[in-house]
Amino acid sequence: RKEVEQDPGPFNVPEGATVAFNCTYSNSASQSFFWYRQDCRKEPKLLMSVYSSGNEDGRFTAQLNRASQYISLLIRDSKLSDSATYLCVVNGRGGTSYDKVIFGPGTSLSVIP
Amino acid sequence: IAGITQAPTSQILAAGRRMTLRCTQDMRHNAMYWYRQDLGLGLRLIHYSNTAGTTGKGEVPDGYSVSRANTDDFPLTLASAVPSQTSVYFCASSESGNNEQFFGPGTRLTVL
Repeated sequence: RKEVEQDPGPFNVPEGATVAFNCTYSNSASQSFFWYRQDCRKEPKLLMSVYSSGNEDGRFTAQLNRASQYISLLIRDSKLSDSATYLCVVNGRGGTSYDKVIFGPGTSLSVIP
Repeated sequence: IAGITQAPTSQILAAGRRMTLRCTQDMRHNAMYWYRQDLGLGLRLIHYSNTAGTTGKGEVPDGYSVSRANTDDFPLTLASAVPSQTSVYFCASSESGNNEQFFGPGTRLTVL
């Protein structure tokens, strides 16, 4: 089993739709969780951190379920500009083992007019 | 410089040649990383550095070496390039291992 897994998609959704991505991780000791966005042929950029209590940033909501070891990203009212690949990132251990920062393979989203 | 830069932007290299990819950050971040990104495999960590003077191996270190002589620079060297090292290489930095990573624009390397 891979340490971080995501549905690769692609997810093709119409403008205005709500779309949700899930990401599962295998290391129960993971401490930090993030969602990154990567546009085609560009570098990844942080979209949002994921906190235990869940967090929201405008149209984006991130949730963490430690018991089931997954994180989710919900995008409401999708825009054309949301088209990108969304990467789930998990830090496998707390603070001292940088070699355990694991990127998921990414989920591709295309928002269609 | 603002953020993190990489050079060259792209390179075509003959197999067996030596190549150094450069990475510089001006954010005074302690940690720096090198990843390669291949279609279907996502980002894979090659080497990392917790702080100046220290380095460590990531998931796919074979065929690559790094050095961290100072805080700002983290070059990646391919001693003798092979075609399987054809990839997009991203350098990144962060304040510490639990913080957001900032990525450079990437280097597209083709080894023939």
